[in-house]
Amino acid sequence: DVKVTQSSRYLVKRTGEKVFLECVQDMDHENMFWYRQDPGLGLRLIYFSYDVKMKEKGDIPEGYSVSREKKERFSLILESASTNQTSMYLCASSPPHGAGSYEQYFGPGTRLTVT
Amino acid sequence: QKEVEQNSGPLSVPEGAIASLNCTYSDRGSQSFFWYRQYSGKSPELIMSIYSNGDKEDGRFTAQLNKASQYVSLLIRDSQPSDSATYLCAVNPPLKRDRLAFGKGNQVVVIP
Repeated sequence: DVKVTQSSRYLVKRTGEKVFLECVQDMDHENMFWYRQDPGLGLRLIYFSYDVKMKEKGDIPEGYSVSREKKERFSLILESASTNQTSMYLCASSPPHGAGSYEQYFGPGTRLTVT
Repeated sequence: QKEVEQNSGPLSVPEGAIASLNCTYSDRGSQSFFWYRQYSGKSPELIMSIYSNGDKEDGRFTAQLNKASQYVSLLIRDSQPSDSATYLCAVNPPLKRDRLAFGKGNQVVVIP
């Protein structure tokens, strides 16, 4: 079974802090994703990585950056947390392009509150 | 036009009945389609994938795909209270390199 883990289930941070959210997958997947999910807005893609050190902006990258130094680990960084970044953050992974399967497997999520 | 639309409001079904969920997508070239189940406060869990026109059955779940009409459906037979969740439809749009476009989801409530 695919296992995607996230560093924290719940996190409370103050406005202006730098926040690191970490995600690890154990299925040797090339692709990893960061989403945020808000009521009424659904899942929105923040960033996507298709290989180590490779990344693409998603639909809402502003205020976020990412790091992928190792294949199994994908980090989301909030450079200066703001209250509008309070949300559920979800990490996912999937097999590579050309594998014929685009199924994404999600981690448990991190509920981040910025006060 | 949204890439994936799930327009129905919350669906209440009695226990044992069939729950039917629909999803439409805008890009005719899409080839891969998925249904995820998400319990309140939890992350989405993949429950069905379908790639060819027609029906695909897995236990009490049946996914139906009609590429000509650009819709995909999920049927839940013999609905159980444990099926109460939000169901997300996801599609892999062509030219979007391994990304999935998600619908906003449909909430299902199974009434004992």
